[in-house]
Amino acid sequence: DTGVSQNPRHKITKRGQNVTFRCDPISEHNRLYWYRQTLGQGPEFLTYFQNEAQLEKSRLLSDRFSAERPKGSFSTLEIQRTEQGDSAMYLCASRKAGGAYGYTFGSGTRLTVV
Amino acid sequence: DAKTTQPNSMESNEEEPVHLPCNHSTISGTDYIHWYRQLPSQGPEYVIHGLTSNVNNRMASLAIAEDRKSSTLILHRATLRDAAVYYCILYNNNDMRFGAGTRLTVKP
Repeated sequence: DTGVSQNPRHKITKRGQNVTFRCDPISEHNRLYWYRQTLGQGPEFLTYFQNEAQLEKSRLLSDRFSAERPKGSFSTLEIQRTEQGDSAMYLCASRKAGGAYGYTFGSGTRLTVV
Repeated sequence: DAKTTQPNSMESNEEEPVHLPCNHSTISGTDYIHWYRQLPSQGPEYVIHGLTSNVNNRMASLAIAEDRKSSTLILHRATLRDAAVYYCILYNNNDMRFGAGTRLTVKP
């Protein structure tokens, strides 16, 4: 297994367009997380899945954001009607359930809204 | 969520030990102490974690106070590649919440 994979690495889009990011977690990890990170800040939690169930969503996840993990494997994060404030690094992480297990993060997708 | 307090930045000289402190006075009995680091333009990377006892791995050591209200990440010999933001996080099987971390600068 090569770790958590995120695609694309970079995305430039015009304001108002929709974008979708993909995350492929480590295969035996049943939990998958999405974070957003802006320059100089730590990652901010957005949402997480256990298998295909979305268990928690942050207040940061407005109605323009939606995440899915249809078969409990890969996940997608879609942002509709993008705004300049959505420009950030979007990070995906996966892990096994249980407090003793650490997270494995992907390299992220950098979104620039122009 | 239980919170942690870390210095904003620290400096170290190459090949010297580095002690990165973290205070977590509101830690609960089931919270694990996790440390991650983030190099420029990369996602965070797991470093080490512990519950009550000190822990060692190939990357670092974690010293946990007896009352668990503080911990220290120890890099035994800092290298230029250790320059990163280090995050101390309390974790209890839900979602992991990051603070601003400590930016470590390593001087040659």
